[in-house]
Formats: sequence, structure tokens, C-alpha cells
Amino acid sequence: AQKITQTQPGMFVQEKEAVTLDCTYDTSDPSYGLFWYKQPSSGEMIFLIYQGSYDQQNATEGRYSLNFQKARKSANLVISASQLGDSAMYFCAMSTGGTSYGKLTFGQGTILTVHP
Amino acid sequence: DTGVSQNPRHKITKRGQNVTFRCDPISEHNRLYWYRQTLGQGPEFLTYFQNEAQLEKSRLLSDRFSAERPKGSFSTLEIQRTEQGDSAMYLCASSPQGRSTEAFFGQGTRLTVV
Repeated sequence: AQKITQTQPGMFVQEKEAVTLDCTYDTSDPSYGLFWYKQPSSGEMIFLIYQGSYDQQNATEGRYSLNFQKARKSANLVISASQLGDSAMYFCAMSTGGTSYGKLTFGQGTILTVHP
Repeated sequence: DTGVSQNPRHKITKRGQNVTFRCDPISEHNRLYWYRQTLGQGPEFLTYFQNEAQLEKSRLLSDRFSAERPKGSFSTLEIQRTEQGDSAMYLCASSPQGRSTEAFFGQGTRLTVV
């Protein structure tokens, strides 16, 4: 079975500062993908970044980077230069190989609040 | 707009009534997923289609729930004899086969059972 754990129910950050959102995962499948999604109050799930289990380098997308530590089974999201619009719920998710590839298992989420 | 579209956005229904939601995926995506999200929780997988074939169903999907994807295009999720515990956000996502590096989500249908 796959499991995603996000231990930070809420995080606060000052505008323009960097923030790290924690995510640990558990799976016995050697082939998996790790995702981060942002969910603003409107409810839509917005894709941020993806990391494959065989990727050698950490993924980056603009201000988002994924700190992938395979041995520790962690996939933390780093947001640099936080903006007020970054205030939202953030979910870490995982998909595993096989015919179910693409089916996502989500963590409990972390609410990020950016202060001016 | 070429994103995933879900209708209606909001639905309020009385307990015991049937409801149906619709999802229109991104046109070239042959994989479609339904998730349910309750307040303060992450989304939970309900079911998955590849083209018109329903390949996987979660144990969360009781006999009162049925999903279809005729012709491999749009999908519908029906809940019969709704219960208050069915109140949740129902999210649809789609992805292209062979490139499941991301799934695009719709804005969801928020169901309230009174």
C-alpha cells in the first residue's frame, strides 16, 4: 500500500521569504512519481511540480523546487520568494507503476499562509 | 477553455435523492479519474477509466455509486439515495496515456446533502 504523510497542518511565512513544506512517502514499488498540488480556496487542484523515482536531479519549476531524498523517502517542496498569492492548501501526492499509473494517493495537506 | 470541466459546480440535494455529476476531460486525454475530498482532507481515489473501460474502483465506491464514460469522452458519476455522509467535493482529473507525469484537475462539484 502507498502512503503519503504531511506532518505540518499549517505553516506561516513572510512575503519574499522561502518556505519548505514537508512530505514523506512509503511504497514498495520501485517505480513511482511524486507530485505537489496547490489548492486555493476556490477548490481547483493546481499542478505544481513532478519528480520521478528514477530522476537523478531534483525537479524545479520556476519558484518551486522539490528536495527529493530517496533514501529518506522524503519529497519536500521548497517555495522561494513567497508571494501573497501562494496562500493556499498544498498537497503532496504519489502515483505508482503498473496499470494504475496516474492514480494518485494524497497526503493530508498543509495550509500555507503568507504574511505581508 | 481546454481544461477539465465539471458540472455543476455546486449541488444541494435532499437525503435520499439521486444526483449526477458530469466531467469533460481534456480532449486528447484517454485516462480519467474521480476523487472525493471531504473538508480538511486530501482527495481520495474513487475510480479510473482508460477510454471507455472502467479499470479500477475503490472500496469507497459503494453500490450506490456508479460511474460511466460512454465513448471514452465525458464521464458521469451518479450517487443514488444520497446520504449526509456523501457531502463532499467530487473532483475529476484526466491525463494522457504514457505521460502520467501530471493529472489535470477540474474545479470540482461540491455536493451538500441536507
